[in-house]
Amino acid sequence: EAGVTQFPSHSVIEKGQTVTLRCDPISGHDNLYWYRRVMGKEIKFLLHFVKESKQDESGMPNNRFLAERTGGTYSTLKVQPAELEDSGVYFCASSQGPLGTQYFGPGTRLTVL
Amino acid sequence: GQNIDQPTEMTATEGAIVQINCTYQTSGFNGLFWYQQHAGEAPTFLSYNVLDGLEEKGRFSSFLSRSKGYSYLLLKELQMKDSASYLCAVYGGATNKLIFGTGTLLAVQP
Repeated sequence: EAGVTQFPSHSVIEKGQTVTLRCDPISGHDNLYWYRRVMGKEIKFLLHFVKESKQDESGMPNNRFLAERTGGTYSTLKVQPAELEDSGVYFCASSQGPLGTQYFGPGTRLTVL
Repeated sequence: GQNIDQPTEMTATEGAIVQINCTYQTSGFNGLFWYQQHAGEAPTFLSYNVLDGLEEKGRFSSFLSRSKGYSYLLLKELQMKDSASYLCAVYGGATNKLIFGTGTLLAVQP
């Protein structure tokens, strides 16, 4: 069974540009999560989808971040316009049910110059 | 507030046993996870505790005391490949989000 996949693995962009990250969860997992790890800090929650609905987006930093999960399969996280402080590793995770084990993807390392 | 504490770094010797502690203070509790993460890779699931006591899985065991807000991960017969970061995470409160500690970087030496 394929695990959680994320694309791209690395992205280097300039301040003010737009970047879109993609996450493909484990097949059949209705719950999809986005997290972010800024250098030197802990992994922090961004938002949670159940199928195509946003269940909890309390961790989204500001309105420059937009997450979608059309059709309840893969998800995208767009940052527009990117700022220096957005640099970090963005992880996606999925679980079969609520409060289930979350399986993580390898992350996208975003560098904003 | 929500807080997860674990040591930043630990060093142990190949073949030995190491215990990584984690204390948590959260507004609620719905389970505690341990993940292993090698540099540049995905955090991989190791163990899950929701009730008090010890869960054993091969060379890895995890213990939970909910009354003390405390857990530990025990690694036996350490191997060089166990050198990694170990993350403690809690389902806290009324949400489904995981709250993470900063991770413990374990170095296994020959």
